[in-house]
Amino acid sequence: DAGITQSPRHKVTETGTPVTLRCHQTENHRYMYWYRQDPGHGLRLIHYSYGVKDTDKGEVSDGYSVSRSKTEDFLLTLESATSSQTSVYFCAITNQNSYEQYFGPGTRLTVT
Amino acid sequence: AQKVTQAQTEISVVEKEDVTLDCVYETRDTTYYLFWYKQPPSGELVFLIRRNSFDEQNEISGRYSWNFQKSTSSFNFTITASQVVDSAVYFCAPKGSQFYFGTGTSLTVIP
Repeated sequence: DAGITQSPRHKVTETGTPVTLRCHQTENHRYMYWYRQDPGHGLRLIHYSYGVKDTDKGEVSDGYSVSRSKTEDFLLTLESATSSQTSVYFCAITNQNSYEQYFGPGTRLTVT
Repeated sequence: AQKVTQAQTEISVVEKEDVTLDCVYETRDTTYYLFWYKQPPSGELVFLIRRNSFDEQNEISGRYSWNFQKSTSSFNFTITASQVVDSAVYFCAPKGSQFYFGTGTSLTVIP
């Protein structure tokens, strides 16, 4: 067990509302990631962080922002949710020695 | 950018058959890593194997084996004597500066 939790695990929200997903790790790893998983697309990187307050964009970052004020927490915010952001969101951490990436349990977000 | 092709969208096999999942990747990185992940119906993503691009020695671990061929940019994964519990979606993921995931191969093992 890689010590990664995500909250909430399920959320239904309305179009136009802000949503924040939280990822928490107990492993003290420097790198953290947010992915979304959609049918036919596999996992696509949204944003990642390489340290406290250090973040960068991934492949599908439009409409998302992130923040990392502590090593253990990485937040993903949808400023104004749209139906196209209905997806399963996974947080991940990377062991910088082995480069193995471990995933949280996922958050299923539905935007109606 | 990297690209990953898992041409097999869905595979069905009968229990105890061997099955090979194909992965072909493109990368401009000279040094990289290759990963396979499993996603069972419960939804979590499980790390299976990591290979370094400079290590082409193939490996067997129990019922799992991997065939890495740098010359053809392929990293195939074989399950021998498949079991129903192997039913899952399998993702190939090369990593250079970032991870890139294929679209996955859905494996169904029929009892």
